[in-house]
Amino acid sequence: KQEVTQIPAALSVPEGENLVLNCSFTDSAIYNLQWFRQDPGKGLTSLLLIQSSQREQTSGRLNASLDKSSGRSTLYIAASQPGDSATYLCAVTPSGSARQLTFGSGTQLTVLP
Amino acid sequence: DARVTQTPRHKVTEMGQEVTMRCQPILGHNTVFWYRQTMMQGLELLAYFRNRAPLDDSGMPKDRFSAEMPDATLATLKIQPSEPRDSAVYFCASGWGTVRTGNTIYFGEGSWLTVV
Repeated sequence: KQEVTQIPAALSVPEGENLVLNCSFTDSAIYNLQWFRQDPGKGLTSLLLIQSSQREQTSGRLNASLDKSSGRSTLYIAASQPGDSATYLCAVTPSGSARQLTFGSGTQLTVLP
Repeated sequence: DARVTQTPRHKVTEMGQEVTMRCQPILGHNTVFWYRQTMMQGLELLAYFRNRAPLDDSGMPKDRFSAEMPDATLATLKIQPSEPRDSAVYFCASGWGTVRTGNTIYFGEGSWLTVV
């Protein structure tokens, strides 16, 4: 059974810092990996999707990498801002089964002004 | 601005009562998901539909939960009878095609359910 782990569970940084969020998954047989953002009381918003054949994806200040063989992904946020404060979740789409996204439990990020 | 609409946003009900949650997917999307989020379990897939047909509901307790898509603009999730352990946020999400092919999904803002 695919398990997705995110460490740390919570992170607090001062504004302007570059930071890295980590995601690991137990089964490397995946179609893709996505990073989502969830604001308090809201649904999830997709940030980046990396196909299994890709190594990274970039959107603005966000860069996500994927190392499928080692079962790891990172989300890099450059020059963090208070508006980046949210919970970030990663999710994998397992291959070889009918199941869709399997989510990690998230990292709650607080960027202090 | 297309969005997934869920009702009710908040619901408090007594144990044993029936609860129905509704979802209007984004127009044109052919895949609909129901997720449940709790502090302990995180996000769990309950069911998903493609072209209104249920493809996977293995994550859903069958004895009390049921999910349907009466038409392409409405998905429902029903709990009967409800229990305190059902207290959670229930998210509906929709998309086009499959997540496997790289199509992302769009989440509603959730239905916050409390069963007392």
